[in-house]
Amino acid sequence: DAKTTQPTSMDCAEGRAANLPCNHSTISGNEYVYWYRQIHSQGPQYIIHGLKNNETNEMASLIITEDRKSSTLILPHATLRDTAVYYCIVRVIQGAQKLVFGQGTRLTINP
Amino acid sequence: NAGVMQNPRHLVRRRGQEARLRCSPMKGHSHVYWYRQLPEEGLKFMVYLQKENIIDESGMPKERFSAEFPKEGPSILRIQQVVRGDSAAYFCASSVTGTNTEAFFGQGTRLTVV
Repeated sequence: DAKTTQPTSMDCAEGRAANLPCNHSTISGNEYVYWYRQIHSQGPQYIIHGLKNNETNEMASLIITEDRKSSTLILPHATLRDTAVYYCIVRVIQGAQKLVFGQGTRLTINP
Repeated sequence: NAGVMQNPRHLVRRRGQEARLRCSPMKGHSHVYWYRQLPEEGLKFMVYLQKENIIDESGMPKERFSAEFPKEGPSILRIQQVVRGDSAAYFCASSVTGTNTEAFFGQGTRLTVV
């Protein structure tokens, strides 16, 4: 699976949009981009995933660049409960389905 | 539809004892994954199982650790002769199939070895 690079930490004001970047320059054509988050010491929570088109669900939006070498997770109206570690993971479509977690981005939402 | 259920939530064992961690996947899910998170570290994959089969155990320590997912009942992660370094949070995840579907995680079992 391709390696991802994320900033170690970010801050965002409550009510504003939180934009979390992820670089995956070695991604290959059969790999999806997944985002998970871990709030405090709870189990990781699935957020969203995509291949090459932008995706949106009730939690977030995922913007993938045209060359697929980077992506941005957008939380449109961040709340205090969005404070968590956010993981960007690249994962093959077929084959072993394990998730390879990096260090993630520690997002802090400030009141 | 209940989520992934792990028990116990907290487990304390003395060095040398055995630890058994249980994971009941979400209804309809036949694929189970175990991950370990050491204090202040990220999650590390351990093993991937489908009913009665181990698909990928590349992250499992070679000794003392074993996992099973029987035809009936929960998946079990067993750690024999525990040592202090086994203290960690162990998370289980499940998915519907083994191909490109999101995995749902349980709340974890926090193992403390004293």
